Amino acid sequence: EAGVTQFPSHSVIEKGQTVTLRCDPISGHDNLYWYRRVMGKEIKFLLHFVKESKQDESGMPNNRFLAERTGGTYSTLKVQPAELEDSGVYFCASSPGTDLYGYTFGSGTRLTVV
Amino acid sequence: AQSVTQPDIHITVSEGASLELRCNYSYGATPYLFWYVQSPGQGLQLLLKYFSGDTLVQGIKGFEAEFKRSQSSFNLRKPSVHWSDAAEYFCAVGLMDSNYQLIWGAGTKLIIKP
Repeated sequence: EAGVTQFPSHSVIEKGQTVTLRCDPISGHDNLYWYRRVMGKEIKFLLHFVKESKQDESGMPNNRFLAERTGGTYSTLKVQPAELEDSGVYFCASSPGTDLYGYTFGSGTRLTVV
Repeated sequence: AQSVTQPDIHITVSEGASLELRCNYSYGATPYLFWYVQSPGQGLQLLLKYFSGDTLVQGIKGFEAEFKRSQSSFNLRKPSVHWSDAAEYFCAVGLMDSNYQLIWGAGTKLIIKP
């Protein structure tokens, strides 16, 4: 079984530019989550999709961040315009149900804004 | 508010020595408890989890953790570390009243001395 795939693995962009991160969950997993770790800080929840619907986006830092999950398959997280404080590692996870049992993480995207 | 504390940012251990990584949580009820590991260039891998039952939990790679309700702790242990255990370790709490979100500690970097 393929795992959760994230790309790119690394991205370096200039302040003010736009970046789009992608996450492909495990096939059949209806639940998809985005988390972020800013340098030196804890990993923080960003949002949760159930299929194509946003179940909870309480962790999204501001309206420069836009997440989508077209057709309930892969998800994208767009940052526009990027700021220096957006630098960090963005993790995606998927699970078959909302019960924490089958949470599987991707390898993350390291975003550096310069 | 719920929180997870990993008091040690770095720990250095000699190869073959025993290891204990500390984790304390603040939550009004018994949470779901997790330990994840992130090796360099890799994603977050689940080591073990506690949901209920036996408070001593066995995980992968020879790790175990013990849930102590009276101390609100979930410390990770390994009797003899290997150089390949060098990584960053994260303790996380899954909230039962929000059964899809994980609250994370800041992580502990494990350094192995030869």
